[in-house]
Amino acid sequence: GAGVSQTPSNKVTEKGKYVELRCDPISGHTALYWYRQSLGQGPEFLIYFQGTGAADDSGLPNDRFFAVRPEGSVSTLKIQRTERGDSAVYLCASSLGQGSTDTQYFGPGTRLTVL
Amino acid sequence: AQKVTQAQTEISVVEKEDVTLDCVYETRDTTYYLFWYKQPPSGELVFLIRRNSFDEQNEISGRYSWNFQKSTSSFNFTITASQVVDSAVYFCALSRMNTGFQKLVFGTGTRLLVSP
Repeated sequence: GAGVSQTPSNKVTEKGKYVELRCDPISGHTALYWYRQSLGQGPEFLIYFQGTGAADDSGLPNDRFFAVRPEGSVSTLKIQRTERGDSAVYLCASSLGQGSTDTQYFGPGTRLTVL
Repeated sequence: AQKVTQAQTEISVVEKEDVTLDCVYETRDTTYYLFWYKQPPSGELVFLIRRNSFDEQNEISGRYSWNFQKSTSSFNFTITASQVVDSAVYFCALSRMNTGFQKLVFGTGTRLLVSP
């Protein structure tokens, strides 16, 4: 079946602009995660959804970052007033939602470049 | 706090050599999970293994093997008879157990280059 998909694959924007990054999880996966991977680093947790609700958003760096998952499937990560330091690859992962024994399946990521 | 350290930034080997990727972790939890993921040039992280803190038995899967030693807080990964297709960045990760979800804490990764 289809894996996790993310659009766009690349996004270039100017400092101060607003961007939206989209994640389509594997069908039937109730858990969805966003991570951010800076150059040369491992992915860092941003937010976790179980169904429609954000169960843990402790990794969001500040209030310019927000994510939604209104119907419990597709999720959008929104970044307001982008800064050059937001440049990174944003990864989405989904899983069955069976708790800490889940296997997370990752998408290819969206590479965000803020000029 | 949880932390994963992968001290090897990059390793280069020639095909058919064996290679070990090191992973050292820190956690105050008594129960936890450890993982290895592979990130090929395409960028998608590929799950390789999950090991729980109760089980220190080594695991082998084809050319891959994992050595978990709680006494040294290490979870090392060995590839036997490496192949060019093994070239990728490999990440070790840690998560807490029984939290209702899986919040992965990753190391900085080790880039493995296998040349023909």
